[in-house]
Amino acid sequence: EVQLVESGGDLVQPGGSLRLSCAVSGFSVNYRWMTWVRQAPGRELECLSVIDGGGTTYYTDSVKGRFTISRDSSKNTVFLQMNSLRPDDTAVYYCARGENGMDVWGQGTTVTVSS
Amino acid sequence: DIVMTQTPVSSPVTLGQSASISCRSSQSLVHSSGNTHLSWLQQRPGQPPRLLIYRVSNRFSGVPDRFSGSGAGTDFTLRISKVEAEDVGVYYCMQATQFPWTFGQGTKVEIK
Repeated sequence: EVQLVESGGDLVQPGGSLRLSCAVSGFSVNYRWMTWVRQAPGRELECLSVIDGGGTTYYTDSVKGRFTISRDSSKNTVFLQMNSLRPDDTAVYYCARGENGMDVWGQGTTVTVSS
Repeated sequence: DIVMTQTPVSSPVTLGQSASISCRSSQSLVHSSGNTHLSWLQQRPGQPPRLLIYRVSNRFSGVPDRFSGSGAGTDFTLRISKVEAEDVGVYYCMQATQFPWTFGQGTKVEIK
């Protein structure tokens, strides 16, 4: 069964860091397009970052220079390293497979940035 | 960035009737490959999004055939025929033709 399970969300102070993980089962993350998407409370979805099959990474402007997407094929896991967090980064963060649009989604992990 | 604009914002529907949602992109979604990377997703209350339609009109695995997508270029439509109670939620169009991939603001489908 194809499954994505996010973890790592937490309450963090402004300026802090978090690393989100997306553990994948049912397919290999190698050579696959994977994405991170967030949804702030009551807001629409925002695609933050994509890693393509060849390992090229893309970031939306609001997180460029602060967030880093990566994958570890030995753990079959995708990561999102988030630095210099701001209150407006507060959201539910989803991992999704970026094929046919976004065809498989995790349940999400909540990040709250507040002092 | 490509801006995706959905109408209406809210769509009250009678059970068994049809609903249509429009999505317009600020530029053509035809990729250099010739494909048009326009998808529709459903988000039920308290749930993650779920893919319904990809590349304009292809139903994803397990999606009922009462969901259909159409359109080309910059104008797209999701149609839900014979709405059921389980169809309540927010529907998003999404483009993956050009990064950053962007979503519409969502259309809330509710039962009258």
